[in-house]
Amino acid sequence: ETGVTQSPTHLIKTRGQQVTLRCSSQSGHNTVSWYQQALGQGPQFIFQYYREEENGRGNFPPRFSGLQFPNYSSELNVNALELDDSALYLCASSSTSGSLYEQYFGPGTRLTVT
Amino acid sequence: KNQVEQSPQSLIILEGKNCTLQCNYTVSPFSNLRWYKQDTGRGPVSLTIMTFSENTKSNGRYTATLDADTKQSSLHITASQLSDSASYICVVDHDFSGGGSNYKLTFGKGTLLTVNP
Repeated sequence: ETGVTQSPTHLIKTRGQQVTLRCSSQSGHNTVSWYQQALGQGPQFIFQYYREEENGRGNFPPRFSGLQFPNYSSELNVNALELDDSALYLCASSSTSGSLYEQYFGPGTRLTVT
Repeated sequence: KNQVEQSPQSLIILEGKNCTLQCNYTVSPFSNLRWYKQDTGRGPVSLTIMTFSENTKSNGRYTATLDADTKQSSLHITASQLSDSASYICVVDHDFSGGGSNYKLTFGKGTLLTVNP
């Protein structure tokens, strides 16, 4: 176990709805990254939060947004859900101490959009 | 465009056999190369991390190699076990700020390894 937790484990939403996914980072980690992993694909970088600020973003539309809280936990919000948003959403926490930025992944949230 | 290509897409081997998975990348600037193991429906777990100056890194039965000149890496698994059945993902990261936490990981699609008894 990495110490990174995500909730909920599974979620079913309908097209057009909004969803919020949550991530608790490992103790001592100040950076959280979010990834989308479609079936049979590698994870795709959505964005990263460092000390409550967005710190880099992948090729995802603005309806994907996030927050990081003072305790470094994080939320991923997706508005106007589309069928293609169905995927495993992973968060990973890391620390800026050290040079290799080891990322520890949570178990993921499986989102199904119908 | 930053890309990470892995081969083969899938591989079936018998328990106890060795295997080698390949990774080619075009990510630039390059900082580190990582190999992750991902069980179905779970988050990836780190196996090895290598900086651009390292040629090899071992973690038990897993040995990763890196040739930064040809931009190729391999993951060698020795004496495979049934529990090695998983997707193995090659990941390249680049620090686009030169420091701090401004970095991005680019993932390959993974090689799905099945170890049969």
